[in-house]
Amino acid sequence: GAVVSQHPSWVICKSGTSVKIECRSLDFQATTMFWYRQFPKQSLMLMATSNEGSKATYEQGVEKDKFLINHASLTLSTLTVTSAHPEDSSFYICSAPPQDRVHEQYFGPGTRLTVT
Amino acid sequence: QKEVEQNSGPLSVPEGAIASLNCTYSDRGSQSFFWYRQYSGKSPELIMFIYSNGDKEDGRFTAQLNKASQYVSLLIRDSQPSDSATYLCAVTPGSSNTGKLIFGQGTTLQVKP
Repeated sequence: GAVVSQHPSWVICKSGTSVKIECRSLDFQATTMFWYRQFPKQSLMLMATSNEGSKATYEQGVEKDKFLINHASLTLSTLTVTSAHPEDSSFYICSAPPQDRVHEQYFGPGTRLTVT
Repeated sequence: QKEVEQNSGPLSVPEGAIASLNCTYSDRGSQSFFWYRQYSGKSPELIMFIYSNGDKEDGRFTAQLNKASQYVSLLIRDSQPSDSATYLCAVTPGSSNTGKLIFGQGTTLQVKP
């Protein structure tokens, strides 16, 4: 149980384009999902908390207009990187806790984004 | 002071030895503590969580928590080369009940055959 998937697993896009990443909880419902970014040899940096049916909560320094988050259902959250630039190239990982075990976060496999 | 601190390592141990990974945290209100393992290029995998002071054992892994000292550790017995990875310590902020986690920078473990 507690499986989280992400799609795509990797993506290459051109500078200025937008990329959408999906995060799904496969065998549980999640009212909250989290989006992280990880640069090489660095730890996870929380970008935002995705809340089902309401606006996402962004961490300080994260541009909400650049990283659009939508949590339309209890099993799906999406992160859209708008007008991507090479500095946005990173490993994006989502996580979700089951509703009855809110402090146990299970991570998706991650999406490696390369912006050329 | 960082909220969650770990020695980045690398920590090198011979195969079969006990690996000891340490983590300190600054928020006295933190209630939940987690250890994740992350292989290079992969996402983190939950190994153990601990909520109460003392030890919690699961197979070759033992988590130890001391809230008074704001210290949590992970022991890996009979270390195997496949245990070589980065181990991330994570804690919940005392003020949050949303599941938000604060991660340490991780300790790289190398188990040499």
